Amino acid sequence: DTEVTQTPKHLVMGMTNKKSLKCEQHMGHRAMYWYKQKAKKPPELMFVYSYEKLSINESVPSRFSPECPNSSLLNLHLHALQPEDSALYLCASSQDLTINQPQHFGDGTRLSIL
Amino acid sequence: SQELEQSPQSLIVQEGKNLTINCTSSKTLYGLYWYKQKYGEGLIFLMMLQKGGEEKSHEKITAKLDEKKQQSSLHITASQPSHAGIYLCGADTPGGSQGNLIFGKGTKLSVKP
Repeated sequence: DTEVTQTPKHLVMGMTNKKSLKCEQHMGHRAMYWYKQKAKKPPELMFVYSYEKLSINESVPSRFSPECPNSSLLNLHLHALQPEDSALYLCASSQDLTINQPQHFGDGTRLSIL
Repeated sequence: SQELEQSPQSLIVQEGKNLTINCTSSKTLYGLYWYKQKYGEGLIFLMMLQKGGEEKSHEKITAKLDEKKQQSSLHITASQPSHAGIYLCGADTPGGSQGNLIFGKGTKLSVKP
């Protein structure tokens, strides 16, 4: 069982819809991450939050909007997505941003854009 | 920029056989992580290696980091169908954005009963 919980597990949405992905962890971690993973590829980093503040934005289009309401929660708000945004979206957390801190991943949300 | 190269890309072994997966870095490794992923699921953290020559084991999986800290190997003894999946190595990128893990492209392992 993963200690990082992501909801929903699957999401199908049209290009004009607005939806949100949610991630929760109760390990006391202060760094949280969003990754995008396409089929047969490794995960690609999108955003990093450290102590509830955005630390890294890897040039992600503005149709993806992250939010960290508190130290346990991380959201990814989606609006006007494109078919190429269909992918597995993974959330992860780690103790903090120092090196040698393993990231722990959730099971992901499988997103399909119609 | 640092790159991780994994070999082999895919591997099919008979149940009970041993196998090794390699991860080679273009630069010195300061933190090397091994993960396992089942199709369509999240990454499961297996082990972290930090020091040159370090070796860690968990059940039938052993991971090593060479003395020069540029290569790691993952060895599975007496493979079982439950070992099947994609194995990914990941590394910290010191000097770059903290928290930005880079990953190898993965090794797909199939275990035939």
